[in-house]
Amino acid sequence: DGGITQSPKYLFRKEGQNVTLSCEQNLNHDAMYWYRQDPGQGLRLIYYSQIVNDFQKGDIAEGYSVSREKKESFPLTVTSAQKNPTAFYLCASFRTEAFFGQGTRLTVV
Amino acid sequence: DAKTTQPNSMESNEEEPVHLPCNHSTISGTDYIHWYRQLPSQGPEYVIHGLTSNVNNRMASLAIAEDRKSSTLILHRATLRDAAVYYCILRDDGYGQNFVFGPGTRLSVLP
Repeated sequence: DGGITQSPKYLFRKEGQNVTLSCEQNLNHDAMYWYRQDPGQGLRLIYYSQIVNDFQKGDIAEGYSVSREKKESFPLTVTSAQKNPTAFYLCASFRTEAFFGQGTRLTVV
Repeated sequence: DAKTTQPNSMESNEEEPVHLPCNHSTISGTDYIHWYRQLPSQGPEYVIHGLTSNVNNRMASLAIAEDRKSSTLILHRATLRDAAVYYCILRDDGYGQNFVFGPGTRLSVLP
């Protein structure tokens, strides 16, 4: 079945470490998005990409980086510069409607 | 980006219709109106979207005002499974558009 897959579901990071969250889609969508969600809050846009090898910053890009080397893949790296990375991270792809992954819950330990 | 305004929360009784409003007074002519909903600890799921005409699908109906400055998501018979946060979002269909979520409306369904 076509869909969007995020991994891992849970991730623990030590202070000062970079971690990479995976997002893969087999829907042949050009547009992909990364969001962050804090408890009880809405989704905030981190980065988005409309095409391979191109991406734009969203509202809260500081401390994050992305790449888009393949159409199917849009990994997000949470760098040590992100001071408060504990959150629920959601990836989506879009053509006429958006499809979301099930999310990665990142916790700093 | 055009903004949307939704009530923070709404309540409904089970098996009754629910009308979720969304105001978007600065909508442009090429903005599509999208609705998504999010259950706890899950990613949002698509509900419905439209441009100018009212739309129906198996999940809901979307009623769009004639001037397009507001819209209403209609759940015809609310079930307990419909309790979620509902997001109304505008997105231009052109290249390079982002997809920005507001705080949404938290719908509670009472048995």
